Amino acid sequence: TQLLEQSPQFLSIQEGENLTVYCNSSSVFSSLQWYRQEPGEGPVLLVTVVTGGEVKKLKRLTFQFGDARKDSSLHITAAQPGDTGLYLCAGRSSNTGKLIFGQGTTLQVKP
Amino acid sequence: NAGVTQTPKFRILKIGQSMTLQCTQDMNHNYMYWYRQDPGMGLKLIYYSVGAGITDKGEVPNGYNVSRSTTEDFPLRLELAAPSQTSVYFCATSQDRVRNEQFFGPGTRLTVL
Repeated sequence: TQLLEQSPQFLSIQEGENLTVYCNSSSVFSSLQWYRQEPGEGPVLLVTVVTGGEVKKLKRLTFQFGDARKDSSLHITAAQPGDTGLYLCAGRSSNTGKLIFGQGTTLQVKP
Repeated sequence: NAGVTQTPKFRILKIGQSMTLQCTQDMNHNYMYWYRQDPGMGLKLIYYSVGAGITDKGEVPNGYNVSRSTTEDFPLRLELAAPSQTSVYFCATSQDRVRNEQFFGPGTRLTVL
């Protein structure tokens, strides 16, 4: 069974601080996606990384796919209250094509 | 375009009751999925469909059924509700299985008492 472990599970920081969320597995994924979910809504896709070592930037968010395609990280620079939400990573299984979701990281950014 | 819509938004069921969660999409996507989300557990796949008339089980299918008679609709049926089915249910679609980038509905919060 493929698993994705996210850390930390909860993060509460002040506006302006930097943070990193990790997504780790012992399995290789063909690609990895990051979603953000706000209370009462469904997840929204932020980015897909496909190549080992790939780095993608989305304004203040930087996403990296590990060289071996087993792990990923999300770094937020100068966090803002609007970044508050649940961040989910999801790996695409090479065998089945289905997405395997991590358990999520709840981020709270205080003004 | 509405994207993916789900009804109802909230529902309370008694143990043993049945209900259907509705999911409709106007994105013309062939692939559709049902997930449940429990606190601290991420999203678990219940059932999925690769096109009209074709459905298959996901990771946690017990207690649920689905049908896919049209591209647009993918209802999820709970026959005998149990407290373990208390959860938030999300329907999602994707355009293809290669990238499998998914578009989610707003969810249905179900409580079974």
